[in-house]
Amino acid sequence: DAGVIQSPRHEVTEMGQEVTLRCKPISGHDYLFWYRQTMMRGLELLIYFNNNVPIDDSGMPEDRFSAKMPNASFSTLKIQPSEPRDSAVYFCASSPKSGGPYNEQFFGPGTRLTVL
Amino acid sequence: AQSVAQPEDQVNVAEGNPLTVKCTYSVSGNPYLFWYVQYPNRGLQFLLKYITGDNLVKGSYGFEAEFNKSQTSFHLKKPSALVSDSALYFCAVRDSGGSQGNLIFGKGTKLSVKP
Repeated sequence: DAGVIQSPRHEVTEMGQEVTLRCKPISGHDYLFWYRQTMMRGLELLIYFNNNVPIDDSGMPEDRFSAKMPNASFSTLKIQPSEPRDSAVYFCASSPKSGGPYNEQFFGPGTRLTVL
Repeated sequence: AQSVAQPEDQVNVAEGNPLTVKCTYSVSGNPYLFWYVQYPNRGLQFLLKYITGDNLVKGSYGFEAEFNKSQTSFHLKKPSALVSDSALYFCAVRDSGGSQGNLIFGKGTKLSVKP
């Protein structure tokens, strides 16, 4: 399996622009997670989906952030408008349903976002 | 509320020496505990987990971790460190009564192994 795939790997944009991050989970995984990693705040869970349905979005910082999962093999995280404080590494992760809470999560390589 | 603490921002070890990366946790029920490693410019990789049973858990790359319920700890260990073990290590916890999504990560400990 190719693992979790994220694109782009690096994104540099200017403040006010729309940014879209993409994720393809591991085939057959029912859960998909979006995280943000910064030096100051560490690893933060933004939102997660189960069977394409958002379950918990309490970590989404504000209305500028939105996430969708139109099908089992694709998810997007959108920031509109972007701000310099959004600069971070954004990770997507997935996990299978079988085994429930015993399961580890499988992480993608991340997207490094820089907002100028 | 669930929480996990990694009290050391950085651990320095000489190659060949044993290493320990500390983790303590707080949950209301029984804990499910995980260790992940992150190499530079990479995503997190799963190392090992404790669900139930034997308190000593063995994982990838020669790592092991010991679950101690009375001390609410899950320290990561390796008998002989390698320079290639240098990376960022994350401890994570989930309450047994929690949902599959509710995995709480520590802030990470940077491990530096010198030749």
